[in-house]
Amino acid sequence: GESVGLHLPTLSVQEGDNSIINCAYSNSASDYFIWYKQESGKGPQFIIDIRSNMDKRQGQRVTVLLNKTVKHLSLQIAATQPGDSAVYFCAASTWRQLTFGSGTQLTVLP
Amino acid sequence: DTGVSQDPRHKITKRGQNVTFRCDPISEHNRLYWYRQTLGQGPEFLTYFQNEAQLEKSRLLSDRFSAERPKGSFSTLEIQRTEQGDSAMYLCASSYGQGDGDEQFFGPGTRLTVL
Repeated sequence: GESVGLHLPTLSVQEGDNSIINCAYSNSASDYFIWYKQESGKGPQFIIDIRSNMDKRQGQRVTVLLNKTVKHLSLQIAATQPGDSAVYFCAASTWRQLTFGSGTQLTVLP
Repeated sequence: DTGVSQDPRHKITKRGQNVTFRCDPISEHNRLYWYRQTLGQGPEFLTYFQNEAQLEKSRLLSDRFSAERPKGSFSTLEIQRTEQGDSAMYLCASSYGQGDGDEQFFGPGTRLTVL
């Protein structure tokens, strides 16, 4: 099976700084990876995804990096804003089943 | 709002009672997923439908749990003889896909509390 772990359960950053959230997965057969943001009382919200044939993908203020050699995934948020405060999950897909990590609580300090 | 909807949003029940949750996916999404999320953890996969066919079930899904998607649109998740350990957020997600790995859109969840 797959297991997914995040390196830090909490992360605090100053508003305007860049944030980096790291994630490790175990199953080399995982071929699709997603980062989700979850605010209190809401379901996870898609941020960005990446397939295993890529090592970098950029969105609006977000970048996902994939290192298949060490089975590591990271999410970079540029110019972090107060609205970015939430729990962030990485998820790895094997076949169609998503395995989520335990989440990193990002807190943006004024 | 054309996102995934779930009903009810909150459910409080006594141990031993049966509960049923409903999920309405994004229209035309052929895939539907159920997850369970406990406090401080990421969602855990429970089961997956492609159209009306239930194609995968997690070992987490004990025989007290049953899910259906009778017409390939909405889905229900029933828990029989609820236990306190069933208390969690139950999330539904849907996607449109024909291959492996597609973007799953999540609903707001149903929070179940078993007393």
